[in-house]
Amino acid sequence: NAGVTQTPKFRILKIGQSMTLQCAQDMNHNYMYWYRQDPGMGLKLIYYSVGAGITDKGEVPNGYNVSRSTTEDFPLRLELAAPSQTSVYFCASGTGLKFQPQHFGDGTRLSIL
Amino acid sequence: QKEVEQNSGPLSVPEGAIASLNCTYSDRGSQSFFWYRQYSGKSPELIMFIYSNGDKEDGRFTAQLNKASQYVSLLIRDSQPSDSATYLCAVQRDSNYQLIWGAGTKLIIKP
Repeated sequence: NAGVTQTPKFRILKIGQSMTLQCAQDMNHNYMYWYRQDPGMGLKLIYYSVGAGITDKGEVPNGYNVSRSTTEDFPLRLELAAPSQTSVYFCASGTGLKFQPQHFGDGTRLSIL
Repeated sequence: QKEVEQNSGPLSVPEGAIASLNCTYSDRGSQSFFWYRQYSGKSPELIMFIYSNGDKEDGRFTAQLNKASQYVSLLIRDSQPSDSATYLCAVQRDSNYQLIWGAGTKLIIKP
């Protein structure tokens, strides 16, 4: 049972480059989330999706884009990478229902140099 | 005031003792609360959730909820070095069921 799968696990980008972080889940969850976690800090919501074709901004969306064409996949796009986007990125999924938790992928460690 | 507050620690506890982790929240309407454990360099993993006032026990872990005082706590009995991690408190918003995260408390269990 794979759960939430994120790729790549590590990546180094140069300033100004772009990339897509991949996230896939096999739990048939409608809700999917992208968080970033800076060292010693909590999780900050970047974007979330309540179902295929529906996405919305979270707390820190600037510099990122998302799409949700299928229930399973929720890629996060970084355009024009900046050093401030150096962070660990976690994708999570859940039912979005009351009393239900979120389930996390293993994360992507991204460094912008 | 942050929506969810935790003492960042580190909280140092001797092996075998009880570790007590606290979390306060500002949204009085919140009804469900989650504790996640995050080892260094790893992703958060769910330990427990609670939504009724009082205590909920699962093995060495006990979650306590006091909605009137707006705090939730996690007790770890017979602490082990393997419990050393950062513990994240998450509060579910009643308006849209999103999770609001505390910054986490770093727990160190000393052998």
